[in-house]
Amino acid sequence: EVQLLESGGGLVQPGGSLRLSCAASGFTFSSHAMSWVRQAPGKGLEWVSGISSSGGSTYYADSVKGRFTISRDNSKNTLYVQMNSLRAEDTAVYYCARIQGMGEPYWGQGTTVTVSS
Amino acid sequence: DIQMTQSPPSLSASVGDRVTITCRASLSISRYLNWYQQKPGKAPKLLIYAASSLQSGVPSRFSGSGSGTDFTLTISSLQPEDFATYYCQQSYSVLVTFGGGTKVEIK
Repeated sequence: EVQLLESGGGLVQPGGSLRLSCAASGFTFSSHAMSWVRQAPGKGLEWVSGISSSGGSTYYADSVKGRFTISRDNSKNTLYVQMNSLRAEDTAVYYCARIQGMGEPYWGQGTTVTVSS
Repeated sequence: DIQMTQSPPSLSASVGDRVTITCRASLSISRYLNWYQQKPGKAPKLLIYAASSLQSGVPSRFSGSGSGTDFTLTISSLQPEDFATYYCQQSYSVLVTFGGGTKVEIK
């Protein structure tokens, strides 16, 4: 069974940093591109960042470019996103997801990030 | 980036109604299109992937169709548990994008 388990969310002050992790199991992690998707309170789904299966290519939404860094450790089956210079508008539930390509997509249950003083 | 235009943004329907939601891509995405249902406070639930493949465990009243730029999610007979928000998502590009959502409400 495919499982994606996010962790690392919490309350952080504006300008602060946070690192989210996503532990993957039930599939060959190193064979799949992965993404982070977020949903602000009362808003729709927003793709944030993606990374190729090897980690050699990374992609970002304009809203987070230069502030967020996606990475992965295929030896640990874990996806990360380092979030710096956080703003109030980054407040959201963050989902780890395998949603690229033609195969069946999978999502984690999400972790909540709140940026507030 | 590929833009996904979903319509309508909201609709009111009664139990038993046939409901259709559409999603249009700004360029051809073949059949790289997924549909999700989301209820408040919950993660998105996959309904349809690859435009028309029904996810295991999803009731057969849900169906998807389309290819290229135009796609449709149909609920053949709306049930009380179907009142939720629905999203389309293209998986063709590495820059994944979502439709704006369709909120299905009780008439």
